[in-house]
Amino acid sequence: GESVGLHLPTLSVQEGDNSIINCAYSNSASDYFIWYKQESGKGPQFIIDIRSNMDKRQGQRVTVLLNKTVKHLSLQIAATQPGDSAVYFCAETLDNYGQNFVFGPGTRLSVLP
Amino acid sequence: EADIYQTPRYLVIGTGKKITLECSQTMGHDKMYWYQQDPGMELHLIHYSYGVNSTEKGDLSSESTVSRIRTEHFPLTLESARPSHTSQYLCASSEFFRDTEAFFGQGTRLTVV
Repeated sequence: GESVGLHLPTLSVQEGDNSIINCAYSNSASDYFIWYKQESGKGPQFIIDIRSNMDKRQGQRVTVLLNKTVKHLSLQIAATQPGDSAVYFCAETLDNYGQNFVFGPGTRLSVLP
Repeated sequence: EADIYQTPRYLVIGTGKKITLECSQTMGHDKMYWYQQDPGMELHLIHYSYGVNSTEKGDLSSESTVSRIRTEHFPLTLESARPSHTSQYLCASSEFFRDTEAFFGQGTRLTVV
């Protein structure tokens, strides 16, 4: 089946720097792409999503970029803080209702003091 | 904080035992899910439900079963636990027409000895 994958399993950044977490997807029919954050010992938490008709969407300190030409998704975190340390998963789904989404393997972000 | 609860948080059980993992949500969400996640790995969908009396198998084959008799409750049952069932099980729920934003419980970490 179609799958979503991440380029790097781990990422370390200095506190205050910007973080960029990348994701590759393979299903060109996917219409929604989502980022989740999972802190140690907790369930994943929704961060932001983007529809395929957009190439950029901003949230609070986060920006998601979508490049459909190369099937690439990225999550940018501005001014990374220690509380951002977590595993980040991207996911894709065919639509916003009914269909299930497929998670990628995750990137562990470590914020260095 | 998401209003979705899983019990127990941790469970160690012997091979061959029958177990039920509980999941309840108070958000009135129609759609509910069970995911299996090994440490540091991606989430795999094992069961989902569109609403009361609806249960579907997910992408990952599982020997577990689920039921959805009430909107708020989505228990998962293993009739005969095996060491290969050792994993973390995450329950989630979402609105049917906004299901990119799923709310996850804290998970049940199951160890079968």
